[in-house]
Amino acid sequence: NAGVTQTPKFRILKIGQSMTLQCTQDMNHNYMYWYRQDPGMGLKLIYYSVGAGITDKGEVPNGYNVSRSTTEDFPLRLELAAPSQTSVYFCASTRDLGPAEAFFGQGTRLTVV
Amino acid sequence: GNSVTQMEGPVTLSEEAFLTINCTYTATGYPSLFWYVQYPGEGLQLLLKATKADDKGSNKGFEATYRKETTSFHLEKGSVQVSDSAVYFCALSRDPFSGGYNKLIFGAGTRLAVHP
Repeated sequence: NAGVTQTPKFRILKIGQSMTLQCTQDMNHNYMYWYRQDPGMGLKLIYYSVGAGITDKGEVPNGYNVSRSTTEDFPLRLELAAPSQTSVYFCASTRDLGPAEAFFGQGTRLTVV
Repeated sequence: GNSVTQMEGPVTLSEEAFLTINCTYTATGYPSLFWYVQYPGEGLQLLLKATKADDKGSNKGFEATYRKETTSFHLEKGSVQVSDSAVYFCALSRDPFSGGYNKLIFGAGTRLAVHP
């Protein structure tokens, strides 16, 4: 029972570098999300997807890009890393409708220096 | 817009003490309400949920009742253990009949520390 798998768990980037955070789920969920969690704050939605080929912006999309070529995968791309992107990133997935439980990955702790 | 407000932490308790973590919400329609828990170094996991007014969610000795009249969903546990030390997030899910996607809106989280 893998659920939602994120890689890497930790990463240190230099300002201006780029990277992709990987997220895979094996529950056949159509809805997938990327959140960031800053210290002492709740989770803020970066991007979400309602199915393969469909993505949309959340509350804090600037500096990020996503793609959804398959139901299983939802990678998050940082093109030009900035110190403000230092955070813990969580990927999550839910069923389509109703009060669906969200399943979260273990998170990626990213530091931009 | 929709929002969730939680009491600020940290909350520090002795083992076997009574726990209350307050949560109030603002939302249109009839959202579903959740409590998620985040143990150190892990992702969030669902603790309990309630989908309509007066529903009581419960799990692992924790309870919360969906109070539409006070727009609240306070988390309670009668006797906490050291293993309950974690961060607790209150969240709401948009009313599916109001249209739009199944977005979860989180509170800021409340850190609980339980000492022996």
